[in-house]
Amino acid sequence: QVQLQESGPGLVKPSETLSLNCTVSGGSITYHYWNWIRQSPGKRLEWIGYIHSTGNTGYNPSLKSRVTISMDTSKKHFSLKLSAVTAADTAVYYCASALFNGGSLYFDSWGQGALLTVSS
Amino acid sequence: SYELTQPPSVSVSPGQTATIACSGDDLQNMFACWYQQRPGQSPVLVMYQDDKRASGIPERFSASNSGNTATLTISGTQAMDEADYYCQAWDSTTVLFGGGTKLTVL
Repeated sequence: QVQLQESGPGLVKPSETLSLNCTVSGGSITYHYWNWIRQSPGKRLEWIGYIHSTGNTGYNPSLKSRVTISMDTSKKHFSLKLSAVTAADTAVYYCASALFNGGSLYFDSWGQGALLTVSS
Repeated sequence: SYELTQPPSVSVSPGQTATIACSGDDLQNMFACWYQQRPGQSPVLVMYQDDKRASGIPERFSASNSGNTATLTISGTQAMDEADYYCQAWDSTTVLFGGGTKLTVL
């Protein structure tokens, strides 16, 4: 099972761009889909999007206009950029690996999460 | 937008059976899975593809998906099962999460 570790600034100002990185260890980066998921203080989970090592991406339609997910396969890490942040983007951000199998998608490993606060 | 609905809370006595439901209009045409999240920890996959148990998950956990409702069942519930549980599905373009159910073992 892969291990994932998020890293990021912790605090971002309103209207700026949030950047987070996720480092993958303990497995191949070519098999899974690599995701970002966030959890608001109210605890609801929200999927942000995924990237595959082929470059294929998928985004939550509600966030698509502000999100970019990229990947550096040689360094085994992938990144999230979320632009024009507001207080509503304050959340714990998780990176997670996902498997597609027979029409299902499920997250088999999660990072420990990175708290990101949007505040001036 | 499409949503999955879970009860906010479920209570169960130790040793009894806990049942957590997840409903959605088109859920019968998707595969459902379930995550357990203990306080201060990341979610952990419990069940996937409707009824398959994830690696390392005790046999007391089971699940099903029928009609428009997916169900997670915990038989012989233990104190360590107290946690938040989330259902999740994939509608071919988007990941959907339920709002979560807090399971209290008392």
